[in-house]
Amino acid sequence: AQRVTQPEKLLSVFKGAPVELKCNYSYSGSPELFWYVQYSRQRLQLLLRHISRESIKGFTADLNKGETSFHLKKPFAQEEDSAMYYCALKGDQGAQKLVFGQGTRLTINP
Amino acid sequence: DTGVSQDPRHKITKRGQNVTFRCDPISEHNRLYWYRQTLGQGPEFLTYFQNEAQLEKSRLLSDRFSAERPKGSFSTLEIQRTEQGDSAMYLCASSLEVVYEQYFGPGTRLTVT
Repeated sequence: AQRVTQPEKLLSVFKGAPVELKCNYSYSGSPELFWYVQYSRQRLQLLLRHISRESIKGFTADLNKGETSFHLKKPFAQEEDSAMYYCALKGDQGAQKLVFGQGTRLTINP
Repeated sequence: DTGVSQDPRHKITKRGQNVTFRCDPISEHNRLYWYRQTLGQGPEFLTYFQNEAQLEKSRLLSDRFSAERPKGSFSTLEIQRTEQGDSAMYLCASSLEVVYEQYFGPGTRLTVT
């Protein structure tokens, strides 16, 4: 079974502080992992995917297969980072669906 | 706006009524997905189309739910005999076959009273 766990429903940090949003997954094969973001009154959009290894808006995420984690990090939070963040997994065995975690609401305090 | 569009954006219906939602994907995208999102949860997969073929269905998709994509363009999701538990945000997404990035629509919020 595919499962994604985001242990923190809410996360609040001060502007300029480092941010880490946790994501753990359960999957027996070789998954693709994604982070999606939803800003206030906007639609869900892709932030980054592990296979591209890009840094988007200063965010990075490394897939750790040993710990089955895909934590999202940013060294210096900005107020515009306040949003809902979802970690998602796609399996490697033909299935095309995304399995999402329950999301973490990130608030950046000024 | 050339993104994924959904109609209506909000629907209030009484228990037992049927409702139908429409999704228009990005025009060149041949894959289309439906998800459901309840309060405090992430989106949950319902079903997926490649062109007009429905290739995958979740166990969440009970007999009261049916989805179509008749010409491989827009899609409809129908819920028959709605129940209060069907109240949720229904999201549509589309993607290309060769580039797996799902683009989401704004969603249709269903309230069953």
